[in-house]
Amino acid sequence: DQQVKQNSPSLSVQEGRISILNCDYTNSMFDYFLWYKKYPAEGPTFLISISSIKDKNEDGRFTVFLNKSAKHLSLHIVPSQPGDSAVYFCAAMNNFNKFYFGSGTKLNVKP
Amino acid sequence: DTGVSQDPRHKITKRGQNVTFRCDPISEHNRLYWYRQTLGQGPEFLTYFQNEAQLEKSRLLSDRFSAERPKGSFSTLEIQRTEQGDSAMYLCASSYLNQPQHFGDGTRLSIL
Repeated sequence: DQQVKQNSPSLSVQEGRISILNCDYTNSMFDYFLWYKKYPAEGPTFLISISSIKDKNEDGRFTVFLNKSAKHLSLHIVPSQPGDSAVYFCAAMNNFNKFYFGSGTKLNVKP
Repeated sequence: DTGVSQDPRHKITKRGQNVTFRCDPISEHNRLYWYRQTLGQGPEFLTYFQNEAQLEKSRLLSDRFSAERPKGSFSTLEIQRTEQGDSAMYLCASSYLNQPQHFGDGTRLSIL
């Protein structure tokens, strides 16, 4: 039972354009959401997070949007850079401190 | 380097053997998590510790798996009588309470 889903396994974007990565969840008890970035042969690296009391959080080129009614979050990267090419995982946490991860979206930013 | 450290990076073993992995978290982090990741999937939660107490275990963690964090610092994950299905990347992460987790680079286990 996958409680966090990333339905796009891959995304290709031109350098300088916006990248939008999507994530859906099923458990309304999730109250904290995160995005991680993963390069090959490395562990995931924390990118940005959002609490369920907010609908937007911004950090430089990265913005996360949360739509609680739709149980949907998205990560916007603008402008996209070739160094952003990686696998992006969304994750959600419930009040039992368990994290659930999506299956990842591989982003390719073309120069 | 003060990040999360995992050892070994790779482990190849025959089916039926026991293996043990080690994780050294970031020193000021009181929580330590173990995850398993297979190809094309995200990390799956296995278990977590707060200090030396193991607070939760996933149903994925069969009785062949055991994890310890004896002094609330490093942790070990042992798999007994390994099976083909145990082949995966085993990731360790640490955090201070509910802050975002910091991951190690993982131990890749291959069962022959």
